Amino acid sequence: QVHLVESGGGVVQPGRSLRLSCVASGFTFGSHAMHWVRQAPGKGLEWVAVISYDGSDKKYTDSVKGRFTISRDNSKNTLDLEMNSLRAEDTAVYYCAKERDSGGCLDYWGQGTLATVSS
Amino acid sequence: EIVMTQSPATLSVSPGEGATLSCRASQSVSYNLAWYQQKPGQAPRLIIYAASTRATGIPVRFRGSGSGTEFTLTISSLQSEDFAVYYCQQYNNWPPLTFGGGTKVEIK
Repeated sequence: QVHLVESGGGVVQPGRSLRLSCVASGFTFGSHAMHWVRQAPGKGLEWVAVISYDGSDKKYTDSVKGRFTISRDNSKNTLDLEMNSLRAEDTAVYYCAKERDSGGCLDYWGQGTLATVSS
Repeated sequence: EIVMTQSPATLSVSPGEGATLSCRASQSVSYNLAWYQQKPGQAPRLIIYAASTRATGIPVRFRGSGSGTEFTLTISSLQSEDFAVYYCQQYNNWPPLTFGGGTKVEIK
């Protein structure tokens, strides 16, 4: 079955960087767009970024443009999120999610990894 | 950006009763609307996509309806495992994908 496992979260000071990773299994990774969605403590869901099935197209929410970079390695079934110039408001559980077919519906999610930005 | 608004914020329901959750979009999203269920400490789980199609393994007591700007998730005869937060999400006009603020279904 589909399995998504995130890692890389932790506590980091404002202005520093963090790299999150997601390992996928149970489906043809290279055939699906992948997303990052975050959830601040006690809050709702916020979409962060998407990368196309082949990595050629990337989109970001405005608040992370220029600071975050999404990437993937289809040979290793991995999805990454490089987060730079981190701010306190980036503190959240970050989920990787698989796009169902094409179109933006997210049919499988990982368990999430917590990134805390604090001095 | 399309704004998704869910109501009510909290719904208190007794086990065995039904629940109706609403989701409104600031502009038409056609049928490109999904519902997710999230339990404490867990990841969201897709339950409905294309406004009314149940995802794999979702019981028939979950029913989605609506189109355009008005959508409803109906849960008939709530079971203990259904008490959770439910989010709607549009994928008609993006980026960004946008989610509603959630409806918490709690035990009355």
